[in-house]
Amino acid sequence: DVKVTQSSRYLVKRTGEKVFLECVQDMDHENMFWYRQDPGLGLRLIYFSYDVKMKEKGDIPEGYSVSREKKERFSLILESASTNQTSMYLCASNQEGTWGTGELFFGEGSRLTVL
Amino acid sequence: AQSVTQLGSHVSVSEGALVLLRCNYSSSVPPYLFWYVQYPNQGLQLLLKYTTGATLVKGINGFEAEFKKSETSFHLTKPSAHMSDAAEYFCAVCESPYGNNRLAFGKGNQVVVIP
Repeated sequence: DVKVTQSSRYLVKRTGEKVFLECVQDMDHENMFWYRQDPGLGLRLIYFSYDVKMKEKGDIPEGYSVSREKKERFSLILESASTNQTSMYLCASNQEGTWGTGELFFGEGSRLTVL
Repeated sequence: AQSVTQLGSHVSVSEGALVLLRCNYSSSVPPYLFWYVQYPNQGLQLLLKYTTGATLVKGINGFEAEFKKSETSFHLTKPSAHMSDAAEYFCAVCESPYGNNRLAFGKGNQVVVIP
């Protein structure tokens, strides 16, 4: 069964802390994505990566960075967490060449609360 | 730029009644269109998609959607709602399979099924 695994389902952090959200996929996909999901706003793309060490900004990259050192792993980093980053974070992946047209496979999400 | 409109953040439907979720898009070229579903405490999964060809698309769990170019719509329907259909539904659009094109998601419809 294909899978996208996000390491933490629930996290509580304090303002100013550095936060790492980890995502691993076992489908050998080239493309990986980080989305933020907020009620009434839908999904908004933070960053995506189309290859190891490659990354592109999405629609709301401010306050975030990413790392992709291995094909299967894509990390989202909050350098200094703020309360307005309290949200659900979803990782997704799909195959090379499909970009936005191919099926996205999602993880179960990481709900982050910043106090 | 591509965008998606889903009206009515919360939709209530009686068990056994028709489910109708409306999606209108804006796109400068013929789009690729998707519906994703998110069950409670889970990530999103693909329900169905339209790329080219037949405008009536059938998906999983008895759902279907019809692409109407003249109305710029891709409404989702299911003839008879089941309790297990309670979930959040997202419409998404991608303008082109080429280059750096990503999905644009709507804000979602939270469906409540009333026994």
